[in-house]
Amino acid sequence: EPEVTQTPSHQVTQMGQEVILRCVPISNHLYFYWYRQILGQKVEFLVSFYNNEISEKSEIFDDQFSVERPDGSNFTLKIRSTKLEDSAMYFCASRTNEKLFFGSGTQLSVL
Amino acid sequence: QKEVEQNSGPLSVPEGAIASLNCTYSDRGSQSFFWYRQYSGKSPELIMSIYSNGDKEDGRFTAQLNKASQYVSLLIRDSQPSDSATYLCAVVETSGSRLTFGEGTQLTVNP
Repeated sequence: EPEVTQTPSHQVTQMGQEVILRCVPISNHLYFYWYRQILGQKVEFLVSFYNNEISEKSEIFDDQFSVERPDGSNFTLKIRSTKLEDSAMYFCASRTNEKLFFGSGTQLSVL
Repeated sequence: QKEVEQNSGPLSVPEGAIASLNCTYSDRGSQSFFWYRQYSGKSPELIMSIYSNGDKEDGRFTAQLNKASQYVSLLIRDSQPSDSATYLCAVVETSGSRLTFGEGTQLTVNP
């Protein structure tokens, strides 16, 4: 069964460093998403992406965040200058028929 | 602020019982409703979707939707210890827009 894959599964970085989280959505899906979940909190929407551009973003998705689809398969989330409060599990998702399917996540720890 | 509210947990039921999970949403224009299951440290896994008023059954799971009351619920029949997880209610407010999650209800099924 096709699935969304994310790499790396864990990422440790120093505050102020840039990180890139990578995702390969399900191949015939057209909408892609990034969500995050801070430990013990709800799953929060960051951004949605369709037709090679951002279709919607949340208040969390400020100028330090960016998304890109550099080729036909990968979908990336870049955090330019990480803060301690960026520590969270980041989930990529892709959508078909209104249903979102999530990857296994990248646990980001900012020290 | 558009919100999705779930009944506070944790919820504990004995094996074989019916577990009832509830959710309300604030946006009357919401169109699509989902239940996800999330095991600790894992990504959300889609278990049910419902789009129109009434009941929808899938195996041991039944989703119920009442748009007039802005209420959606999930019943789990013959609960098993493997059903122990956090159950997330999620709502799409308008077609193609973000999926908004509730805080989740932690369910424990006791053998």
